[in-house]
Amino acid sequence: EVRLVQSGAEVKQPGESLKISCKASGYSFTNFWIGWVRQKPGQGLEWMGTIYPGDSNSRYSPSFASQVTISSDKFTTTAYLQWDSLEASDTAMYYCARGNVTLAGADYWGQGTLITVSP
Amino acid sequence: SYELTQPPSVSVSPGQTARITCSGDALPKQYAYWYQQKAGQAPVLLIFKDTERPSGVPERFSGSGSGTIVTLTISGVQAEDEADYYCQSADSTGTHRVFGGGTKLTVL
Repeated sequence: EVRLVQSGAEVKQPGESLKISCKASGYSFTNFWIGWVRQKPGQGLEWMGTIYPGDSNSRYSPSFASQVTISSDKFTTTAYLQWDSLEASDTAMYYCARGNVTLAGADYWGQGTLITVSP
Repeated sequence: SYELTQPPSVSVSPGQTARITCSGDALPKQYAYWYQQKAGQAPVLLIFKDTERPSGVPERFSGSGSGTIVTLTISGVQAEDEADYYCQSADSTGTHRVFGGGTKLTVL
């Protein structure tokens, strides 16, 4: 069974750093990409970026390049999303999702990680 | 940057057919995907590669495409279909993935 299990909710202050995780199981981790998707409260889905664990190559959507870092560890089959300095505007639900390397769409999703950034 | 455009809302009565469109210049070149997101839940893949349905998705959900517009059709809408629906695709080079703004389906 394919599973993507994300780390728990976080409450952080502006300026703090954060790294959230997405643990994959039930499939060959290096044969599928992992993407990260942001959803601000009451708003739509935004694609942040994608990592290909086979070669650790990552691509960022223009709005998120230089704002976050996406990484992965093929030995622990885990993908990560990290911020060096959070802002209040980063408050959102963050989802990881998996997809076939030949396709752009995601067939499995994590349960989401809620990040709240507040003074 | 590349954009996909969806109507913000669609309303139908139970048993009727709902059609949700998604337009984008690169859709003739790039596959479209459709997701359903119910309140408080993660998105679920409904349609991939424009028209294909993953196993477990009811047959009343179907996808089609013509030129720069793709359409999600829900036949015989049920109350449980009330949700937000998002199309997703990639830009013409396939480099960047993008979502449409989402469509809220209301079952009257």
